[in-house]
Amino acid sequence: QVQLQESGPGLVKPSGTLSLTCAVSGGSVSTTHWWTWVRQPPGKGLEWIGQIHYSGTTNYNPSLKSRVTMLVDKSKNQFSLKLSSVTVADTAMYYCARGEDDSAYWFFDLWGRGTLVTVSS
Amino acid sequence: DIQMTQSPSSLSASVGDRVTITCRASQTIINYLNWYQQKPGKAPKLLIYAASSLQSGVPSRFSGSGSGTDFTLTISGLQSEDFATYFCQQSYNTPRTFGQGTKLEIK
Repeated sequence: QVQLQESGPGLVKPSGTLSLTCAVSGGSVSTTHWWTWVRQPPGKGLEWIGQIHYSGTTNYNPSLKSRVTMLVDKSKNQFSLKLSSVTVADTAMYYCARGEDDSAYWFFDLWGRGTLVTVSS
Repeated sequence: DIQMTQSPSSLSASVGDRVTITCRASQTIINYLNWYQQKPGKAPKLLIYAASSLQSGVPSRFSGSGSGTDFTLTISGLQSEDFATYFCQQSYNTPRTFGQGTKLEIK
């Protein structure tokens, strides 16, 4: 059974860089899936940050594109998110998720538990 | 970006009721529409994909319909475990976008 687990610092200073990792267990990151990051500010809705394929191909949300970097580490079976120049508006629960498709219909069928990142001095 | 608008934002219902949540896209998304359930402190859970396809393991009281810009999620015979927040999400293009959520509460 494939599971996802986020990890990383829970507190980041303003203007710093948020760095998170999502470990994939029970399966391989080298599949046809799109490995995805989604965030949710406290009490608010969901925002798609972007996705990465094991080949290294990425798609980022244009609203965050200038600050986002996603990478895949096949040797460690994990993928990562870096968000630079953070502000308090980046405070959120960050989820990693698996993008799956059924006949080209894409959806997020597997999610990590999420990790709360607070931006504060 | 495609804007997704859900209504209502909140809804009160009783166990056994039939409830419907609506999601409207700012442009046609054909049927590239997914529904998720989120309980407090938990990650979202996929319920429906491709507007009407039930995800494996999801009870049959959940159903989805619609095409183009207008979609609905229906729960027939509410159970206590169904009280949660529901989100729609389009997968027609990137960036993927979500509705703002509908909170289903116990009456």
